[in-house]
Amino acid sequence: EIVMTQSPATLSVSPGERATLSCRASQSVSSNLAWYQQKPGQAPRLLIYGASTRATGIPARFSGSGSGTEFTLTISSLQSEDFAVYYCQQYNNWPALTFGGGTKVEIK
Amino acid sequence: EVQLVESGGGLVQPGRSLRLSCAASGFTFDDYAMHWVRQAPGKGLEWVSGISWNSGSIGYADSVKGRFTISRDNAKNSLYLQMNSLRAEDTALYYCAKDIAKGTKFYYFDYWGQGTLVTVSS
Repeated sequence: EIVMTQSPATLSVSPGERATLSCRASQSVSSNLAWYQQKPGQAPRLLIYGASTRATGIPARFSGSGSGTEFTLTISSLQSEDFAVYYCQQYNNWPALTFGGGTKVEIK
Repeated sequence: EVQLVESGGGLVQPGRSLRLSCAASGFTFDDYAMHWVRQAPGKGLEWVSGISWNSGSIGYADSVKGRFTISRDNAKNSLYLQMNSLRAEDTALYYCAKDIAKGTKFYYFDYWGQGTLVTVSS
């Protein structure tokens, strides 16, 4: 099983600032990585797939990068609606799909 | 509009069984693989199981293998999860999620339901 490790566990950021979230895979997943956003009481929402492609309707302030074992989700200028928990998920190792433990982005 | 509506959750004693259902609408159900993903209270996401469009490819997380069975009925646009020998650690909100592809290989999830809560306790 591929283990996905996200850091930091919690990120405190002021509105308008940049947020950088990391996701590391225990072995290469190529570019087969997705990012999700989850707000309290809601289901997750797909943000990024293929490590860097934004899903339909996702604002341009969200960007993904990386390949192999190191990945980054960047939110260029945090809006109030962006404070949430973010998860990465690898889909390289079929059928054992795995998620990272999540990064909570909170208001500083 | 894509809709996924889970049902069947509830309080169940350890060792007992429960069957979850997911009713899908707003898309051609038999064109896509489907999955169950769970989230224990206050915890992260865990993929549980996935099934290809024609039930030809099925996968399970190690934590549920041998106890849970995923199935689908394309005529009824429905996905199921039969959960046997339930344990306290199976307590979670269970989400039904749509894959982006048919399922020769599993990918990622573009639509999710709101979940059904399963509580395993005596």
